[in-house]
Amino acid sequence: GQNIDQPTEMTATEGAIVQINCTYQTSGFNGLFWYQQHAGEAPTFLSYNVLDGLEEKGRFSSFLSRSKGYSYLLLKELQMKDSASYLCAVNDGDYKLSFGAGTTVTVRA
Amino acid sequence: IAGITQAPTSQILAAGRRMTLRCTQDMRHNAMYWYRQDLGLGLRLIHYSNTAGTTGKGEVPDGYSVSRANTDDFPLTLASAVPSQTSVYFCASSDSSGSSYNEQFFGPGTRLTVL
Repeated sequence: GQNIDQPTEMTATEGAIVQINCTYQTSGFNGLFWYQQHAGEAPTFLSYNVLDGLEEKGRFSSFLSRSKGYSYLLLKELQMKDSASYLCAVNDGDYKLSFGAGTTVTVRA
Repeated sequence: IAGITQAPTSQILAAGRRMTLRCTQDMRHNAMYWYRQDLGLGLRLIHYSNTAGTTGKGEVPDGYSVSRANTDDFPLTLASAVPSQTSVYFCASSDSSGSSYNEQFFGPGTRLTVL
């Protein structure tokens, strides 16, 4: 089976930086996604990594190391609206994504 | 319509009843998926379809069935609902044309309670 691990919860202060780690052990690897999900809503796409390195998109960045089976999502200049769950998902081939359980980030004033 | 729609938004169902959750997308995506989301367990794949006319089993397929008669629609049926099927169900779709980039777009979800 697939094994994707990420912390359950994280808390940070408005304006700060938070790093959400994700480690994976999957039968195949064809890219890693990060999704954001606000309470009661659908997940929405944040980032995609298929090669090693850092992908930056505004306040959000995502890093991948395929050899270590490791990724992180970096959220900078935190805002209250960033309070949400962040889901790490691996494309293990054949169109399917395997998701981690998600990390709930709480931003405090 | 823009994206994916699901119906109903929520439903309370007696155990043993049959229920079909509807999902429609207007993006002409070839692949569609059904997930359930439970607290602490994240999104788990129930069934998927790579293209119209084909379906496959995901991680938790027991008690569920799907069909894919056309590109746009992907209904999920619970033949005889049980309380353990109480969950939030998300439908998703993607344009999987053989590349590794497989961004999935999610519907708003159906909250199902089985009593």
